Order: sequence, then structure tokens, then C-alpha cells
Amino acid sequence: QVQLKESGPGLVQPSQTLSLTCTVSGFSLTSNSVHWVRQPPGKGLEWVGAIWSGGSTDYNSALKSRLSISRDTSKSQVFLKMNSLQTEDTAIYFCTRGAHRVYWGQGVMVTVSS
Amino acid sequence: NTVMTQSPTSMFISVGDRVTMNCKASQNVGTNVDWYQQKTGQSPKLLIYGASNRYTGVPDRFTGSGSGTDFTLTISNMQAEDLAVYYCLQYNYNPLTFGSGTKLEIK
Repeated sequence: QVQLKESGPGLVQPSQTLSLTCTVSGFSLTSNSVHWVRQPPGKGLEWVGAIWSGGSTDYNSALKSRLSISRDTSKSQVFLKMNSLQTEDTAIYFCTRGAHRVYWGQGVMVTVSS
Repeated sequence: NTVMTQSPTSMFISVGDRVTMNCKASQNVGTNVDWYQQKTGQSPKLLIYGASNRYTGVPDRFTGSGSGTDFTLTISNMQAEDLAVYYCLQYNYNPLTFGSGTKLEIK
């Protein structure tokens, strides 16, 4: 069945780079897009970006200068890299499969703190 | 960017009530709007796609409507398990944008 699972460090220091991995199963990355969505504690959902089935990417305008999304189709993994982290980047980061985002990972909490 | 203005921010409701919440897009997004339900500590769950299509397994008390710039999610006969935060999302334009959410709380 379709599954997505986020992984990465729980704590990142300010100004450092965040690296997250979304490992998927049950579907092909070459036929489906994967999106990243984040949610600061107690706040709403924010679309971060996506990698489309053809490999192109789109990003949240406010994060674009710091953000990179890539993939390894052979490993069924999607990667998020965000540099120059600030405390405002503290959030739960979810990955979700495109096509109306029916399937979601459980999310990974990332805290930006020294 | 397309701004999705969601209202109200919160609602105090009773079991059995009819609940209506709204999303207004800052530009025409056609029917490219989804609605999600998020309960505390959980990932969002798709309820409605394409503005008015109920996803598989979603109870028929959930109804989505609208097109262009104005969208509505209605819950008829509110149940206790429907207590959650609801979000709209437009996917007509990149970047995709969520509404700020409507929180349903017990009166």
C-alpha cells in the first residue's frame, strides 16, 4: 500500500542547513509528485514545495532562495534541503503524495535552536 | 501568490448543528480547491477534492461547493468526531496555498 515516511534530525542550530528525507513505497516517483508541507507548533499548514513526476520543482516564494527539493527514484526517496535556518522554521514537516494529497507521512518535528 | 482567506477562524458548535465555513481566493482558481480535516496530533486528511467531490469513505454529511473565488465546506448534522481544524487549499496556481484554517470547538 501507499506509504510515506519522513526522517531527519530533530534539532538544528540556527543558520545551519536542514536535510530531510521522505521515503515512499507503494508508488513510483516517476508517475507521482511529492509535496512538502510544514506546520509550526499551534499554527496552520504551509505548502513548502513539490517535485513533480518529471523531476521539475516548484517552491514557496518566501522560501525559494533557501530551499532545494530533489529525489532519488532508484531509492524511492525525496529530499528537502533548506539552508540558513531560523527559529521560525521550527515546525512539523510532512511529505505527501500529489494528486490531491491523499496520502501523508506522519511528519517529523524539526526544532531550530541553539 | 494566491491568497486563500478562510472564515471564520473558529466556531463553537453543538452536536447535530449544521456548520458552514468559507474560503475566498484572491483570484479565480476554477474548481481547483481541496478541503482537509486535521485532528490534533494527526496528519491532514483529504475530505473534498476539486471543490465538490467527496473523497472515498468520507461521510456524506460533508459537502463542498463553489467555483472561481468562493468556496464552502458544509457539515450537516455535526458529530463529535468532526471536531478538528479544517483547511482549504488551492492548487490552480504555483505556489499552492492553504487557507489559515477553521477550528471547530464544542459549545
